[in-house]
Amino acid sequence: GDSVTQMEGPVTLSEEAFLTINCTYTATGYPSLFWYVQYPGEGLQLLLKATKADDKGSNKGFEATYRKETTSFHLEKGSVQVSDSAVYFCALRSAETSGSRLTFGEGTQLTVNP
Amino acid sequence: EPEVTQTPSHQVTQMGQEVILRCVPISNHLYFYWYRQILGQKVEFLVSFYNNEISEKSEIFDDQFSVERPDGSNFTLKIRSTKLEDSAMYFCASIERGAGGYEQYFGPGTRLTVT
Repeated sequence: GDSVTQMEGPVTLSEEAFLTINCTYTATGYPSLFWYVQYPGEGLQLLLKATKADDKGSNKGFEATYRKETTSFHLEKGSVQVSDSAVYFCALRSAETSGSRLTFGEGTQLTVNP
Repeated sequence: EPEVTQTPSHQVTQMGQEVILRCVPISNHLYFYWYRQILGQKVEFLVSFYNNEISEKSEIFDDQFSVERPDGSNFTLKIRSTKLEDSAMYFCASIERGAGGYEQYFGPGTRLTVT
């Protein structure tokens, strides 16, 4: 079945550091890929998405590129801020079934220190 | 901007009791979902609902769980006899269309505590 694997956390960075959170997936066909963010005490918010190979999703300075050859969708940001502290979830949605569910990775806790 | 709403925000119940968690999806959305997140763990799919019936469910969604869309706006998750291990955050989500990269919009969640 479908699965998503994220780099183990937590990740602690200083403000303005470069961020990479690795995400790889296993799925049949061409799934859609997503990054969701969960701020403390809140629900899940879509951060960015990509629906086909080589697509780059971007939002709020975060980027991720859909790499079919390496089945990856790594999240990057050039300069993190304290306000980026949150849990980040990589997720996929299968292309095989209409309306299919999201499959999430384990989540990566990011803490950014001033 | 339209949003998914959930009530209550926090529910405390005793083991063996029935609970109903309520969600109001975005009005023009067609697919509805429940997920749960046990504290510190990943978000897990429970069930999806389309055209007034379950379209997919996970192994977690056993006979103790049921879903309903009673009035065309609310979408409910019922747990008949709660167990300690049902303690989790429950998220409702909805999506406008089933295909492609349409975004699943999540509600803020209901924290269920079973004592």
